[in-house]
Amino acid sequence: EIVLTQSPATLSVSPGEGATLSCRASQSVSTNLAWYQRQPGQAPRLLIYGAFTRATGVPARFSGSGSGTEFTLAISSLQSEDFAVYYCQQYNDWPPTFGPGTKVDIK
Amino acid sequence: QVQLQESGPGLVKPSETLSLTCSVSGDSMSGNYWSWARQPPGKRLEWLGYIHYNGNTGYPPSFRDRVTISIDTSKNQFSLRLNSVTPADTAVYFCVRGSPVALDWGQGTLVTVSS
Repeated sequence: EIVLTQSPATLSVSPGEGATLSCRASQSVSTNLAWYQRQPGQAPRLLIYGAFTRATGVPARFSGSGSGTEFTLAISSLQSEDFAVYYCQQYNDWPPTFGPGTKVDIK
Repeated sequence: QVQLQESGPGLVKPSETLSLTCSVSGDSMSGNYWSWARQPPGKRLEWLGYIHYNGNTGYPPSFRDRVTISIDTSKNQFSLRLNSVTPADTAVYFCVRGSPVALDWGQGTLVTVSS
């Protein structure tokens, strides 16, 4: 199975600031990578698929980039609802696997 | 917008079978893939498998001998069965629309395996 590593484990950010989250794959996944957001007590939400395509209804302040083994999720000007845990998922190989998550909390 | 809701026992005894159902509303099941995932406490999300509207299924090798996913389109539901559970199967279980990309998720339901 492909192993995903996310960094940092926790990111403390002030509202209005930007944040950059990283996801690294143990082998190339091309651009078959998705990002999900999970707020406390809520269902996870798809943000990005295909490494850089925003899902329906996702604000433009979320952007994804990367290919191969290195990926980034950037959030510009964090809003209160953006403080959550973010997971990356590869689906280039079966089975799909997830990273351990990055928690973005309020500084 | 599609809504998914998991239901089933919150406590299962070791060696027994875990059974969960996902009720789908707000959209037709037609043409879609439907999946199950789980997250044990303190661990990563895990993909348990999928079923297509036409009944085709796919399971990860690590779960293939224990997991069965079925679908009942007349009830707008799909189900998960996990056999021979152990405490390591304690987790929040999610039903999902889509595979392998999880387009929509249920809220999740905690299932504890304990005697």
